[in-house]
Amino acid sequence: QSALTQPPSASGSPGQSVTISCTGTSSDVGGYNYVSWYQQHPGKAPKLMIYEVSKRPSGVPDRFSGSKSGNTASLTVSGLQAEDEADYYCSSYAGSNNFDVVFGGGTKLTVL
Amino acid sequence: EVQLVQSGAEVKKPGESLKISCKGSGYSFTSYWIGWVRQMPGKGLEWMGIIYPGDSDTRYSPSFQGQVTISADKSISTAYLQWSSLKASDTAMYYCARRNGYNNLDYWGQGTLVTVSS
Repeated sequence: QSALTQPPSASGSPGQSVTISCTGTSSDVGGYNYVSWYQQHPGKAPKLMIYEVSKRPSGVPDRFSGSKSGNTASLTVSGLQAEDEADYYCSSYAGSNNFDVVFGGGTKLTVL
Repeated sequence: EVQLVQSGAEVKKPGESLKISCKGSGYSFTSYWIGWVRQMPGKGLEWMGIIYPGDSDTRYSPSFQGQVTISADKSISTAYLQWSSLKASDTAMYYCARRNGYNNLDYWGQGTLVTVSS
């Protein structure tokens, strides 16, 4: 499985909204509603922010939202805050043969 | 409280073997898959494979099949990732994570840094 495609960087000012895209294929993103997004601060373990395209785990602010259209999923962060500056990774289920999962290359979000 | 606690950092030489661990607590360890994820220095996340501790059903990403072995001991709620002969290119941070549903890694270990150098 090839990695999902994310832009290497994104940025926005405090209070603004930013959207990060994640492009795959019909064998992963487009084929299943099992896209997740993870936030990773430097030196820390990843944290689940969005699962099943648009669901938020308990404790994740509603400023974070997810969507999908065709083979592209998106993460939108509204009302940017300084603590949102981190790396964001998308992930998609990619088939049941090996319970395969594919990650995106990651996007560095900078809060200006 | 759900926790995954991983073993400490390791420094090894090429050719040596290694087994790192991931101990779960605060939930039914045998009821959730545990996945392993590699993060090479300055790079992104890579899916390695997954195990169901209830029956030790194990699946590997094609990229890691034959390169590592994933196992679990349900009696002590611990999953393992092991190498029989390390290479310098195995230098990375390795994370375990609980899988909830098809693609939700909802709890993560703190990571184990493996350094392979002569």
